[in-house]
Amino acid sequence: TQLLEQSPQFLSIQEGENLTVYCNSSSVFSSLQWYRQEPGEGPVLLVTVVTGGEVKKLKRLTFQFGDARKDSSLHITAAQPGDTGLYLCAGALESNQGGKLIFGQGTELSVKP
Amino acid sequence: DAGVIQSPRHEVTEMGQEVTLRCKPISGHDYLFWYRQTMMRGLELLIYFNNNVPIDDSGMPEDRFSAKMPNASFSTLKIQPSEPRDSAVYFCASSFRDREYQNQPQHFGDGTRLSIL
Repeated sequence: TQLLEQSPQFLSIQEGENLTVYCNSSSVFSSLQWYRQEPGEGPVLLVTVVTGGEVKKLKRLTFQFGDARKDSSLHITAAQPGDTGLYLCAGALESNQGGKLIFGQGTELSVKP
Repeated sequence: DAGVIQSPRHEVTEMGQEVTLRCKPISGHDYLFWYRQTMMRGLELLIYFNNNVPIDDSGMPEDRFSAKMPNASFSTLKIQPSEPRDSAVYFCASSFRDREYQNQPQHFGDGTRLSIL
């Protein structure tokens, strides 16, 4: 059973298009993080959201945490080939204070020039 | 600053052999995590330590897997005997809890790509 459902699993788009990746759960998270992973490397943190309804922007990337802190989304505007990679959401369960993160399955994004 | 350092980067060995993966966390981090990543199952947490003590090893697949953290700057993940289904990329990550008891992001190493023939 996957605690954190991420969708879509694969996304192939043209440069300039917009896209949204979703992360959903029935569990409440005290915080949620988004990571990006490139081939041959480990995941690298993009952002952390901690407050229900919070919206954070990182250049062309917009991250939102659901009001109930059970879901999150990542929206990319005018995608570029450099955005290609694996995007992972990861949540810290409210019931677990031990530093453990639950990872989604990831979204493999390919942006073609 | 040095990040999380893992070795080796690649390991190819025959089934039945013992495999030892190594990790040096970021200095000052008190949490250390071992993950396994495959196409089928994504990123799975195997075990994590806090202040060198194993906290949760429920993700360790079976008794063939073991992990140790003898001190704050070193950890190993051992597979004995190895099997082809253990082939995956293994990541080590570290983090710390700040003064407000908020868990900071996990910093990942570049992984060990393990192939068991």
